[in-house]
This record gives sequence, C-alpha cells and structure tokens, in this order.
Amino acid sequence: SQQGEEDPQALSIQEGENATMNCSYKTSINNLQWYRQNSGRGLVHLILIRSNEREKHSGRLRVTLDTSKKSSSLLITASRAADTASYFCATAALSGGYQKVTFGTGTKLQVIP
Amino acid sequence: NAGVTQTPKFQVLKTGQSMTLQCAQDMNHNSMYWYRQDPGMGLRLIYYSASEGTTDKGEVPNGYNVSRLNKREFSLRLESAAPSQTSVYFCASRDRDRGGYEQYFGPGTRLTVT
Repeated sequence: SQQGEEDPQALSIQEGENATMNCSYKTSINNLQWYRQNSGRGLVHLILIRSNEREKHSGRLRVTLDTSKKSSSLLITASRAADTASYFCATAALSGGYQKVTFGTGTKLQVIP
Repeated sequence: NAGVTQTPKFQVLKTGQSMTLQCAQDMNHNSMYWYRQDPGMGLRLIYYSASEGTTDKGEVPNGYNVSRLNKREFSLRLESAAPSQTSVYFCASRDRDRGGYEQYFGPGTRLTVT
C-alpha cells in the first residue's frame, strides 16, 4: 500500500491565492520530499525536509513536518497559473541499508488566471 | 547535461509481444530506478539498482526484468506484454542511496498494450 496519501486529491484556486496540500504517512521516515509533475512530463524535485526538521522554506514554498502526527503540508503562496501541476509527496526510510522512497497518489492543483 | 533520457517516448504493443525500455543518465549517479504511473495510483517502484552490477525488486516487479548495463544505463524489459502493463514508465536516478538526496526523472515512456 502507498506510504504517502495526499489530500485533497484535487484543488482549484484563483491566481494569487495560497494553496495548501497535505500528506499523511504510516511508518517512520528519514525524510519527506515534495515533487511537482507538469502534465505529460517527469517529476521534478521541489524540496526535502528531514525527520528532525519541522519547517522549511524555498521561495514561495513552505513545507512543514509533524512526525508525531505522521503528516506534512506543502504551502504555495501567491500562486501563479504556472503552478498548475500535480504535486506528490515521497517518504524516504532506510530499508535493508538503503533508502526506500515511496510516492503518494498526488494532489492535482489548478490555478485559474 | 541531458539529465535522464528515455526511449521510446510512446509505444503500442500487442499482448504477448516483448520490448525493452531504455534509460540513460549522464550525471554519474549511482542509483537508478524504474517506476510505473497509473491514474490514481501515484508512482510505484518496479525495480531499482543501487549501483552498477546490482538490481533489486521494488513494489511491482512481476512481468518485468531489468539490466544495469553500466553506470549510465538501466533498461526495463517486458518479456510478454499484458494489457495490465499499460502505463507510463519513468526512469529516475539519484546520486547516493544513503541519506536524503533527490531523484531526477526522465520524461517518461507511454506504453499501451492492446
């Protein structure tokens, strides 16, 4: 079964608004990553937060991690039409000496100009 | 740097046919991965290769084989394609397999099995 589950599955907002996506997971992790996928393209890494971090910023992105609740959120501030894409969380945990990464099912974001 | 390249971009197969999906990366990464992406399922790991000469099964390996030909190339083979293997296939690479390093993805191969 999937380690990460995103919610909502789909989100539609107006340009300039903030977009928040959530990710919940089931087991202990080393880090959690967020990726973006434009339609018909491969995934692009956005940001990584380690298990001992609570918050991280990168430009208009803000990621939080609550390991006690096994959840993370991705906030995109002042959204733009170009932010329209699917966003995936990926949890990473050590398994047999190697880092196993498991992707969630994604949130489809539409930003309306 | 081309990053991660995949060929072909599109492929249609008949049930029972075989084919090999090619992947190459020019970033000198140790680890390489094959995923499939189906609607509503996210990405599921088929096989991975932590380093040249090693391969391991992922979450959904049945019906697939892989070859890590050298450090640059990691191919995925469907010996006898089935309609259930209709999907978009992504190859990815990573610099190290210990610690939190990002994965770099190719553009994908869209495969339809009729």
